[in-house]
Amino acid sequence: SAVISQKPSRDICQRGTSLTIQCQVDSQVTMMFWYRQQPGQSLTLIATANQGSEATYESGFVIDKFPISRPNLTFSTLTVSNMSPEDSSIYLCSVERTSGGGEQFFGPGTRLTVL
Amino acid sequence: QQQVKQSPQSLIVQKGGISIINCAYENTAFDYFPWYQQFPGKGPALLIAIRPDVSEKKEGRFTISFNKSAKQFSLHIMDSQPGDSATYFCAASIPGGGNKLTFGTGTQLKVEL
Repeated sequence: SAVISQKPSRDICQRGTSLTIQCQVDSQVTMMFWYRQQPGQSLTLIATANQGSEATYESGFVIDKFPISRPNLTFSTLTVSNMSPEDSSIYLCSVERTSGGGEQFFGPGTRLTVL
Repeated sequence: QQQVKQSPQSLIVQKGGISIINCAYENTAFDYFPWYQQFPGKGPALLIAIRPDVSEKKEGRFTISFNKSAKQFSLHIMDSQPGDSATYFCAASIPGGGNKLTFGTGTQLKVEL
């Protein structure tokens, strides 16, 4: 499995501000994903972070609200913009092993609270 | 539209018993079915996964049973232990679709002494 770290681990933010979440992997990976997990709920895919190109967003998620960067094969950021209390969630990055097989491994998550 | 339905929502099992969690899917294009275990405050951890070419896969105390015709798969935890108390998610993905995972709603398992 891959070792994945996220920063920050948690944050409390004010309405209207933005927060950038970092995801670092200990090895090069092709596919990186960002998920949202609302309290007590399942995981919903926000977008696929593509290295060298724009992220691919799922229905209901837009780039203006959740801009993503993927500057290299080990790092990605997700920004939650113009936050509202409804954005309070756990944000998780995941990676798929470059060697294939389909296995996805998740980071520890960033717990965001918006006041 | 929820593409992967998971049940039960919660489950209480006695120590040493068998925990069974079920999932059903609708999209026949799914071809990879993992199960994740999540402890409070942690990210989901890949537990075991199966592809449709086999009907069962076992790893230690964890077994996936897969029924392609019924479009169902289940997780069996044998000899359940208090340390297994966690939330379990089934998921599914489509080949060539960037392996985007569609998750079930989760099952909160509690194993009592």
